[in-house]
Amino acid sequence: DVKVTQSSRYLVKRTGEKVFLECVQDMDHENMFWYRQDPGLGLRLIYFSYDVKMKEKGDIPEGYSVSREKKERFSLILESASTNQTSMYLCASLRENTEAFFGQGTRLTVV
Amino acid sequence: DAKTTQPPSMDCAEGRAANLPCNHSTISGNEYVYWYRQIHSQGPQYIIHGLKNNETNEMASLIITEDRKSSTLILPHATLRDTAVYYCIVRLTSGTYKYIFGTGTRLKVLA
Repeated sequence: DVKVTQSSRYLVKRTGEKVFLECVQDMDHENMFWYRQDPGLGLRLIYFSYDVKMKEKGDIPEGYSVSREKKERFSLILESASTNQTSMYLCASLRENTEAFFGQGTRLTVV
Repeated sequence: DAKTTQPPSMDCAEGRAANLPCNHSTISGNEYVYWYRQIHSQGPQYIIHGLKNNETNEMASLIITEDRKSSTLILPHATLRDTAVYYCIVRLTSGTYKYIFGTGTRLKVLA
């Protein structure tokens, strides 16, 4: 059974903290994505990666960075967390010409 | 990547067919139409996809107009468990892509 695993289901962090959200997939997929989801705004793409060490900005990259050192792992980094980054974060992976598989999401609260 | 437009919400009576429309008027010849759904507090799940022809699987049917500018997802006998947000997206058949989700259609199946 294919799987995308996000390291935490719920996370509470303080303003100004550096936050790491981890995503691991076991399907050998080239492409991985990070989205955030807020009420009424749907899923918005933050960053995506199409290969190891390769990344591209999505629609809302400000305040975030990413790391893809290994094919199976894609990390989202909040350099200095702010309250407006309180959100649901979703990771996805896919191979060319296949559907995307999503993790269960991480609900991050920044206080 | 082409953008999609969906109605924000729809209701459907249990046992009836749910027809969810999607407009993708700027779709290009090498872009698929994909449908996903997201049940509350879970990551989106793949439903079906198509390029030109109509498609059917155990979950749903996908009808794509001849000019490919719009499509309809059909859930033939909606159940209460089909209550979810449904997303229509387009993606290239090959190469690097952003994989953009919109705000989707919130389908409520009524008992």
